[in-house]
Amino acid sequence: GEDVEQSLFLSVREGDSSVINCTYTDSSSTYLYWYKQEPGAGLQLLTYIFSNMDMKQDQRLTVLLNKKDKHLSLRIADTQTGDSAIYFCAENDSSSNTGKLIFGQGTTLQVKP
Amino acid sequence: NAGVMQNPRHLVRRRGQEARLRCSPMKGHSHVYWYRQLPEEGLKFMVYLQKENIIDESGMPKERFSAEFPKEGPSILRIQQVVRGDSAAYFCASSQRQSEIYEQYFGPGTRLTVT
Repeated sequence: GEDVEQSLFLSVREGDSSVINCTYTDSSSTYLYWYKQEPGAGLQLLTYIFSNMDMKQDQRLTVLLNKKDKHLSLRIADTQTGDSAIYFCAENDSSSNTGKLIFGQGTTLQVKP
Repeated sequence: NAGVMQNPRHLVRRRGQEARLRCSPMKGHSHVYWYRQLPEEGLKFMVYLQKENIIDESGMPKERFSAEFPKEGPSILRIQQVVRGDSAAYFCASSQRQSEIYEQYFGPGTRLTVT
């Protein structure tokens, strides 16, 4: 079945760039998403990318999509301590056409001052 | 425009009791999704509902779990005879679905603890 994989942990220093990686298996997904979850909170939609795009930039966030390798990355420029959170990659389940999302297990980003 | 509301935020139940989790979607949203997050894991889809209809319940356990989204009022996720393995965070998301974009907005979640 469909699967989404992420590395579990990333630690960076404040001001550096962070790159969070994700691989997925469903080549028919039309949209891929990045969500942010702060401790004890729900998920906040950060950005999404349509599958026919290679890159999307939104302020400090850059999403890169390599469809051939089924690899998605999220780059956060000038990382701040407020960026510390769990980041989830997700794809829509193209087999069902209901919009349900398949999530990775999340990458914990730790930003050191 | 208020976001997705869930209550209670925290719920403690003893084994064998019932748990009722409520979700009010964003204004104008008629599509509701429920996801479960077990400790240290990502979210797993449970069920997708539109008003008065269950569209996809492929992620719901076959027994003890049920969901509804009535014409009036919030969506309810009901867990009967809870067991310790039901302890998790349950998130609701709503969507407008006016286009192909499956943009889902999540509530803050209900953290269920079964003792």
